[in-house]
Formats: sequence, structure tokens, C-alpha cells
Amino acid sequence: KQEVTQIPAALSVPEGENLVLNCSFTDSAIYNLQWFRQDPGKGLTSLLLIQSSQREQTSGRLNASLDKSSGRSTLYIAASQPGDSATYLCAPHSGGYNKLIFGAGTRLAVHP
Amino acid sequence: NAGVTQTPKFQVLKTGQSMTLQCAQDMNHNSMYWYRQDPGMGLRLIYYSASEGTTDKGEVPNGYNVSRLNKREFSLRLESAAPSQTSVYFCASLDRGLTEKLFFGSGTQLSVL
Repeated sequence: KQEVTQIPAALSVPEGENLVLNCSFTDSAIYNLQWFRQDPGKGLTSLLLIQSSQREQTSGRLNASLDKSSGRSTLYIAASQPGDSATYLCAPHSGGYNKLIFGAGTRLAVHP
Repeated sequence: NAGVTQTPKFQVLKTGQSMTLQCAQDMNHNSMYWYRQDPGMGLRLIYYSASEGTTDKGEVPNGYNVSRLNKREFSLRLESAAPSQTSVYFCASLDRGLTEKLFFGSGTQLSVL
């Protein structure tokens, strides 16, 4: 059974720092991996999706890397801003319709 | 585009009451999902529907039923609510075969007293 761990559980940083959020998963036979953002009281928004054949994906100040063999993905946030404050969740997908498993998330606070 | 629309946004029930959470998507996606989110536990899959006319149990289906009414709509029913079902419920649809991304509704916060 796929298990997903996200470290750290919470992070509080001053504006401008470069950040690293970690996601590890136990079953490396994945189809793809998504990173989501969740604002308080809101649903999840997909930020980046990395296919199993890819090493990384970039969108603006966000870069996600994937090391499938070691069961790890990392989300880099460059030059963090207060608007980045949210919970970030990763979800590896093992291919079946019921095989998209979520981590508990990293709660990020960026203060001015 | 409305995306995924869930109703209601908030609901308070007494133990034993029943209710149906509604979900509709306008993106022509085949697959739809119901998740619950509890503090510190991430999202857990309750039921999913791979395509119109099919539904299957997820990780935590006990106490719930679903109906895939048509391609757009996927509802979740609590027949006899229990305090353990206090949670935030999310509906999602999957753009399978194209972007492979999962699109979420804004959630229903349910309290069972």
C-alpha cells in the first residue's frame, strides 16, 4: 500500500527565502506525481504534474523534481512571498483510478 | 468555467440524520471522486466513479453511498450520520488521458453533533 510522507509538516519563513518541501513515497511504481496548493477553507489546486518519465517540471517560481527510484519528490519555491502561504500536498499516482494517494501536507507561512 | 461545483458549503447534522452532498463538473471528465479531509491525515478516498454508470469503493466507504447520476453529477449520501463523519468533504474530477490533472471543488464542511 502506498504511503506518502511530507516533511516538514509546517514551515514559517521570512519573505524572500528559497524553500524546499519534501515528499517521500513507499511504492516507486508510479504513473505520475502531482503537487497541489490548498488555501484555508478552499479546495486543492494542481500546481505541477510530473510524469514518471520526467525528472522535473517548472512553473514560474515553482520547480518540482522527481526521483522515482528513491521514492522522492521535492518542490522548490524561489524567492518566497506572503502570497505563497498555504498548505502544499503531494500525490503520487500509481495508475489505477483509486491509486492517487495524498500526503498530509506542509503548511507554509511566509511573513513580510 | 465553473469547474467542479459542490453544494452545500456548510452543513450541521444531528446523529442519525441523512443528507446528500451534490457535485457537478462541466469539464466533460469521465472520472469523479469523493474525498474526506481530516486534520493531519491528508485526503482519503471514499468512493470513485471511473466513468458514467460505474462506482467503486475507496479507502473509507463505510457509512456512505454514492450515485453517478450522469456524466456531470456524482453525489455522496450519508444515510445515518455519525460524529465520526464530521469532516471536510471534497469532490474532484480527473482529466484522464489528457493533462491527467485532478480538479477539486471548494469543499463541504460537515459537522455531526
